[in-house]
Amino acid sequence: GESVGLHLPTLSVQEGDNSIINCAYSNSASDYFIWYKQESGKGPQFIIDIRSNMDKRQGQRVTVLLNKTVKHLSLQIAATQPGDSAVYFCAENQNSGGSNYKLTFGKGTLLTVNP
Amino acid sequence: SAVISQKPSRDICQRGTSLTIQCQVDSQVTMMFWYRQQPGQSLTLIATANQGSEATYESGFVIDKFPISRPNLTFSTLTVSNMSPEDSSIYLCSVEFWAAWNTEAFFGQGTRLTVV
Repeated sequence: GESVGLHLPTLSVQEGDNSIINCAYSNSASDYFIWYKQESGKGPQFIIDIRSNMDKRQGQRVTVLLNKTVKHLSLQIAATQPGDSAVYFCAENQNSGGSNYKLTFGKGTLLTVNP
Repeated sequence: SAVISQKPSRDICQRGTSLTIQCQVDSQVTMMFWYRQQPGQSLTLIATANQGSEATYESGFVIDKFPISRPNLTFSTLTVSNMSPEDSSIYLCSVEFWAAWNTEAFFGQGTRLTVV
């Protein structure tokens, strides 16, 4: 079936550097994408989202880029801090009928920030 | 937004036994979602729980193994029945709020289950 996946399972960066986490999706009909951060022992937390009619969206220190041509999504974190260390998941919103929106999650990337 | 509390946060259980996980939300929601997250893996949707009707299970998950209750709009339980070591996972409940064009999901902290 359709799936959402990630290119890199782990990423290690130095504090202060920028981080880029990538995600590939296969369902060309998907119209909404979300990035989640999951710290150890916690549930996923919403970071930023983007609709399919956009190619870029910025938040505080984070930017999501969407390339629909190649079905690729990325999360950029500026000036990465130790508190950014976590697993990052992309998720795809699939409308399963009416208001029944189901999220499909990608595999996740473990980001480690070295001081 | 929503605050979701799950209990227990972790447990170690003997194979063949059952564990019921509780999920409490601080606001009324129509649908609640139960996910499984196996070690080092992503989240997989188990079922969607509506108040007043039977849960809808995803492929690979059945009611006999994962019975769900949804007695009101703020509470749900997931039972992992007749457990085996393969059921060792983190179980997460979630709620979603739908706006005109986006969906925001909130998750509990998860229940880390180890079956021995």
